[in-house]
Parts: sequence; C-alpha cells; structure tokens
Amino acid sequence: DTGVSQNPRHKITKRGQNVTFRCDPISEHNRLYWYRQTLGQGPEFLTYFQNEAQLEKSRLLSDRFSAERPKGSFSTLEIQRTEQGDSAMYLCASSRTANNEQFFGPGTRLTVL
Amino acid sequence: QQQVKQSPQSLIVQKGGIPIINCAYENTAFDYFPWYQQFPGKGPALLIAIRPDVSEKKEGRFTISFNKSAKQFSLHIMDSQPGDSATYFCAARHQAGTALIFGKGTTLSVSS
Repeated sequence: DTGVSQNPRHKITKRGQNVTFRCDPISEHNRLYWYRQTLGQGPEFLTYFQNEAQLEKSRLLSDRFSAERPKGSFSTLEIQRTEQGDSAMYLCASSRTANNEQFFGPGTRLTVL
Repeated sequence: QQQVKQSPQSLIVQKGGIPIINCAYENTAFDYFPWYQQFPGKGPALLIAIRPDVSEKKEGRFTISFNKSAKQFSLHIMDSQPGDSATYFCAARHQAGTALIFGKGTTLSVSS
C-alpha cells in the first residue's frame, strides 16, 4: 500500500497524559499536513511541513501540541497534558507540491478519558 | 464566520437517483475546490476537484458544477448506488495558501 499511513489507529488515554502519533506520507510527497476532525464536522487544519520545515501553524495548535518532521519523511504529532477537548480524529495528508491534491491517511482516533 | 457553507446536512435518495450537494464560499481568493468522500472510521478520499476557470468537470459518475459569479459549486452523483452512502465534504483552498478549508459535510444515504 503506497498511501498515507498513520499509527496508531486508535488511542485511549487519561487526561493529563502525553500522546504521540505518527504519519508516513506518500513517498516523494514534499508537503505533509495535519488536520483535526471532531464528530459531525469537517477536518480543520492544524499545521503543515514543506520537507522538514514547519511553515504554518493554525491557532488551533495550542502550546500543548508540537509537530516534527525530522528528515522530511515521516512526521509526529505530540499532545502534552491531554484534555478531554482533545478527543478527535487526527488526520494526516500529503501532497507532491503546494498546488497538488492532498491525500489523507486513515486517521488516529484519540479518546481522552 | 464559516468560510465554506455546505448544504444539505443530510440527504436520502433512492438507488439510481441524482443527489446534489451544494457549497458556497465568500472569499474570491479561493482558487481550488475539491470534494472528498469519507466512510465511517476512514480518512477522507479525494473524489474530484475543480478550479474556477471551468464551469463543469466530470469524472465517472461524479460531476462538479461551478458558478464563479455566485460563488457556489455543487457535486452531482449520477446513478447513485448504496455503496455511495457516505459523508461528503466540499473544501476550498486560498490561492496563496495550502490549508484546505472544509464544509461541515453532508451525510448521504442511498437506499436500495
């Protein structure tokens, strides 16, 4: 499968714990995006990378969130001191360039108890 | 303020019918308008996309109609099938940006 992959697919954690998600984009895609989707809503943009550089962050990305793409390949999204309001589906997408289509992964479903 | 408004919220059609989902936007700087299909527990899958220099685009059973002056675009699904039952999202991207701005989605149910 050469699509976008995300791990884990599901994560249940207790409030206050830290969690980390991983995204592997389509090979040779320079751009990688993180979105968050809550129930009954469309995805909302969080941040994106051009290769290893993080070029834009949404105001949704609070100080408790950090994302990295250390070698311009896979990316991680960490949430520190999770809150119940962080419960959502976290989606990763990639595109070849800025003007190309974005392809989404299956998402990581986070539940904060 | 919601930048992309999608309607209806839900839609039920008979097999073979032609569901139509509408989206409206305000920002004239948007220059790319994709539609995504999402099944429960899955990520959104790109269906079809259009740019404002054309008024219609067809791919298989899916057609986008685009009205630049009205700042509206719609998705038509020809000969709908039960397997088309899913949530559909329209989106838009600013010409100088990279983030997709999504509508709230339309849940389509195609009955057999």
